[in-house]
Amino acid sequence: AQSVAQPEDQVNVAEGNPLTVKCTYSVSGNPYLFWYVQYPNRGLQFLLKYITGDNLVKGSYGFEAEFNKSQTSFHLKKPSALVSDSALYFCAVRVLALNQAGTALIFGKGTTLSVSS
Amino acid sequence: AAGVIQSPRHLIKEKRETATLKCYPIPRHDTVYWYQQGPGQDPQFLISFYEKMQSDKGSIPDRFSAQQFSDYHSELNMSSLELGDSALYFCASSLPGNYGYTFGSGTRLTVV
Repeated sequence: AQSVAQPEDQVNVAEGNPLTVKCTYSVSGNPYLFWYVQYPNRGLQFLLKYITGDNLVKGSYGFEAEFNKSQTSFHLKKPSALVSDSALYFCAVRVLALNQAGTALIFGKGTTLSVSS
Repeated sequence: AAGVIQSPRHLIKEKRETATLKCYPIPRHDTVYWYQQGPGQDPQFLISFYEKMQSDKGSIPDRFSAQQFSDYHSELNMSSLELGDSALYFCASSLPGNYGYTFGSGTRLTVV
């Protein structure tokens, strides 16, 4: 079964420090990986995705993620955290359906990022 | 830019009642997905539609049904509501093969 895991429920960093939110995946075939952010009582906002190509993917708000096939990881990173980055972050993998159209995303459990000033 | 529109934003129903949630995808997106996110939980995939046909099915209860209409909007019908159905329901849309999913702001359903 295809799945994605976020091993940390919470990550705490100080403003200005680099941050990493971890994600590992388990898929058959080529993985299509995504990161979303969710602010309280809000929808899911797309940050970035990896489909193919460069292992380092740059996304919105200064975030980037590194695809590591040997470690089956897709960790989210940012060189300098902001207090406004505090939110819930979800890693997701695209799951192939029998009909490739309409293939859904499967989400990890989420990681709460808390950036202190 | 147009986004995925969900209505209503909030809904309060009593146990055993019926609810209908609506989703209007981004123009030209012909694939719609429904997710349920319980309090403190990750979004769980319910069902998806492509070109008005059910494409994939996740953990959707038998009490729920959904369809996609000719204008590509979708409705999630929920009957015999239970307290445990209280959640944030998200709709997302995409173009087939695009690998991009845009989520709506969700409908918060509270069952009392």
